[in-house]
Amino acid sequence: RKEVEQDPGPFNVPEGATVAFNCTYSNSASQSFFWYRQDCRKEPKLLMSVYSSGNEDGRFTAQLNRASQYISLLIRDSKLSDSATYLCVPGLDTGRRALTFGSGTRLQVQP
Amino acid sequence: GAVVSQHPSWVICKSGTSVKIECRSLDFQATTMFWYRQFPKQSLMLMATSNEGSKATYEQGVEKDKFLINHASLTLSTLTVTSAHPEDSSFYICSARTQGRGVHEQYFGPGTRLTVT
Repeated sequence: RKEVEQDPGPFNVPEGATVAFNCTYSNSASQSFFWYRQDCRKEPKLLMSVYSSGNEDGRFTAQLNRASQYISLLIRDSKLSDSATYLCVPGLDTGRRALTFGSGTRLQVQP
Repeated sequence: GAVVSQHPSWVICKSGTSVKIECRSLDFQATTMFWYRQFPKQSLMLMATSNEGSKATYEQGVEKDKFLINHASLTLSTLTVTSAHPEDSSFYICSARTQGRGVHEQYFGPGTRLTVT
């Protein structure tokens, strides 16, 4: 079973829209997660860390629901530059030696 | 801070030749380095983990004799793709982690695009 499951998308939204991605995880012992974004032909870049119930940074809000074992990422007022693949990544707190990545969710913000 | 560089950023080589990719941590000492690769439209896959001065630990299905990893210093790791074939064409990304600086963080290099003709 995969550690995390994400809707691959693509999510096509107009500029200015609010969009939310969900990510479910299978290991109930996981305490931390990261949201990364990856642009085409680029390395993944850390967007946000989620260690407790949630985190907010400008237009981005991440929430962790331990009871239901999912993490969400909310993007408000979408910009064209938000177009990318968003990856939900479990942290290293359960003894993993390296971050592991799934396929992520593709977002395309349209003018 | 926490910058990781890779060289070269792209390389084209002929089938059967070997290619070396360098990964450097520029402003910190990397006790552990990781090598990933990503094929088009696929997810980033961990190839191997290396600790400075130790042999690398390879993920299942990754040939250690084909992908030679050297982590001789705390700021440099190299990946050598030996006897490259077209199916080795991929995006290779290194990542580094250090103790004491955001234990759960890994810092990624910009990647190296390898094309084998």
